[in-house]
Amino acid sequence: EVQLLESGGGLVQPGGSLRLSCAASGFSFSTYAMSWVRQAPGKGLEWVSGISGSGGSPYYADSVKGRFTISRDNSKNTLYLQVNSLRAEDTAIYYCATSPNRYNVLYFDFWGQGTLVTVSA
Amino acid sequence: QSALTQPASVSGSPGQSITISCTGTSSDVGGYDYVSWYQQHPGEAPKLMIYEVTNRPSGVSNRFSGSKSGNTASLTISGLQADDEADYYCSSYTSTTTNVFGTGTRVTVL
Repeated sequence: EVQLLESGGGLVQPGGSLRLSCAASGFSFSTYAMSWVRQAPGKGLEWVSGISGSGGSPYYADSVKGRFTISRDNSKNTLYLQVNSLRAEDTAIYYCATSPNRYNVLYFDFWGQGTLVTVSA
Repeated sequence: QSALTQPASVSGSPGQSITISCTGTSSDVGGYDYVSWYQQHPGEAPKLMIYEVTNRPSGVSNRFSGSKSGNTASLTISGLQADDEADYYCSSYTSTTTNVFGTGTRVTVL
């Protein structure tokens, strides 16, 4: 059974940083591209970032480029998102999701339950 | 990358069929057969309902079907049931190797 467990969210001041983690199990982690998708309170889904199975190809939405960094440790079956220079508009539930392709984020077949990031003074 | 355009809400009576549209551009929906659809109930994570325009994952009811014409994709729910009441989002792979979601559609079962 595929399981994705996000952690690392919390309350942070504007300009602050967090490191989100997603522990994966139940599938061959290194053969899947992975993504972070966020959802602001009461709003729709927004794709944030993706990374190939090897970790060599990161992709970002324009809204987070230069502030967020995606990475993965295939030896630990864990996906990360380093979020810096946080703004109020980054407040959201952050989901990790799998993509059944080694190289590109084509669609999202399994999702975690999400971790909440709140940016507020 | 602009969000794909979906109607804000669609409603239908039990047993009826409804269709949700998802309009993009030739750089996303129209350029690739990687349109997918997600169902999200309140307080839950999204669930994949359709991938690669027309394919259903194992376990998803055959009441859900997808199609595409030009820059517009569609999700049809036939035999509408109470549990189909949820938010639905389309998504597409894009020419910049990123991904974009639709604006979302609230489905109400009358």
